[in-house]
Amino acid sequence: AQTVTQSQPEMSVQEAETVTLSCTYDTSESDYYLFWYKQPPSRQMILVIRQEAYKQQNATENRFSVNFQKAAKSFSLKISDSQLGDAAMYFCAYTASGTYKYIFGTGTRLKVLA
Amino acid sequence: ETGVTQTPRHLVMGMTNKKSLKCEQHLGHNAMYWYKQSAKKPLELMFVYNFKEQTENNSVPSRFSPECPNSSHLFLHLHTLQPEDSALYLCASSPLAGAYIGDEQFFGPGTRLTVL
Repeated sequence: AQTVTQSQPEMSVQEAETVTLSCTYDTSESDYYLFWYKQPPSRQMILVIRQEAYKQQNATENRFSVNFQKAAKSFSLKISDSQLGDAAMYFCAYTASGTYKYIFGTGTRLKVLA
Repeated sequence: ETGVTQTPRHLVMGMTNKKSLKCEQHLGHNAMYWYKQSAKKPLELMFVYNFKEQTENNSVPSRFSPECPNSSHLFLHLHTLQPEDSALYLCASSPLAGAYIGDEQFFGPGTRLTVL
């Protein structure tokens, strides 16, 4: 069965510093997609970044980038120049190509310290 | 209204009540989802609708009954719930342009349900 594991329930980072959130997953599929979603307090969950497994190049979106290690089944999120607005729950998610099932991790709560 | 909306935002109900959660998406998407979010647990996929047809029932108890009258609206009918059903219920939609190809999901704000 496919699983997604986020081993860090909570992380803290100083404003303007860099933080990395960890995610590992388990699958026997070769074609799949990985996501990081952000859920701010009392606000809607939004997509931060998406990675296609067949692409070797790591996805980036402004201050957000991933380190995708397919062989190790690792998908970490790096947030550079952290801002107060980055404080949120971050969820790692997986879906295999051709399926409608999205599997989420338990989330990492990120605190940004002024 | 834009995006995905959910009503009500908060709901308190007794175990013998019947209530319904509503979700509406204004994005022209073809797939809609219900998730249950409980503290310190992964999001649990409950139901998936693809072009109004239910394609997934993830072993959800029958006290939860979904309804999808069209591609824009999704309901979750609740009856005789248990206290352990208290959670945040999230609705999501995705484009599903002919194939499941890792679409981004767009989420609503959720309904915070408390069962007394």
